[in-house]
Amino acid sequence: AQSVTQLDSQVPVFEEAPVELRCNYSSSVSVYLFWYVQYPNQGLQLLLKYLSGSTLVKGINGFEAEFNKSQTSFHLRKPSVHISDTAEYFCAVRFTSGTYKYIFGTGTRLKVLA
Amino acid sequence: DGGITQSPKYLFRKEGQNVTLSCEQNLNHDAMYWYRQDPGQGLRLIYYSQIVNDFQKGDIAEGYSVSREKKESFPLTVTSAQKNPTAFYLCASSILRQDTLTGELFFGEGSRLTVL
Repeated sequence: AQSVTQLDSQVPVFEEAPVELRCNYSSSVSVYLFWYVQYPNQGLQLLLKYLSGSTLVKGINGFEAEFNKSQTSFHLRKPSVHISDTAEYFCAVRFTSGTYKYIFGTGTRLKVLA
Repeated sequence: DGGITQSPKYLFRKEGQNVTLSCEQNLNHDAMYWYRQDPGQGLRLIYYSQIVNDFQKGDIAEGYSVSREKKESFPLTVTSAQKNPTAFYLCASSILRQDTLTGELFFGEGSRLTVL
């Protein structure tokens, strides 16, 4: 069965330090990959996506992610975080054909400390 | 501006009552989705619809019902059969055209339902 795993439920990091949020997926078919951010009591906003092409994807707010097909991973990185990056981050996959279902990970709460 | 509008933002319900959450989009998207969000569990799919007058059950459809009479609207009814309805509900939409391939979901701001 297809699944998305975000191993870290919470990640504390000091301001201006780098951060990596991990995402691994399990799928027997090709997928599209997404990272979303959610601020408290709000909907989700797209940070970046991988559909095809270059495996290094750049998104908004200085975030980037790298698709690694052999390791079935799509880790999110930022070289220097700000207090305003404190939020919950979700990794998601969608199959490239057939059903248009999206599968989400359980989320990683990023807390940036001053 | 195009987007997805969910209402109400906050809703309180007594046990045994049905409640309907509204979701309207003006993005001209074909597909619409309802997700439930609980702390530590991520987003779980309740129902989705790819075309008017058609919809499919997601992973946790029991106790919920939907309709898709118009492309722009996808209301969700939380019935009294839903045993634990207190949650944050998110509506989303996406394009289905293969030549567009934008792929992502667009989300509303959510509706928080509390059962008293």
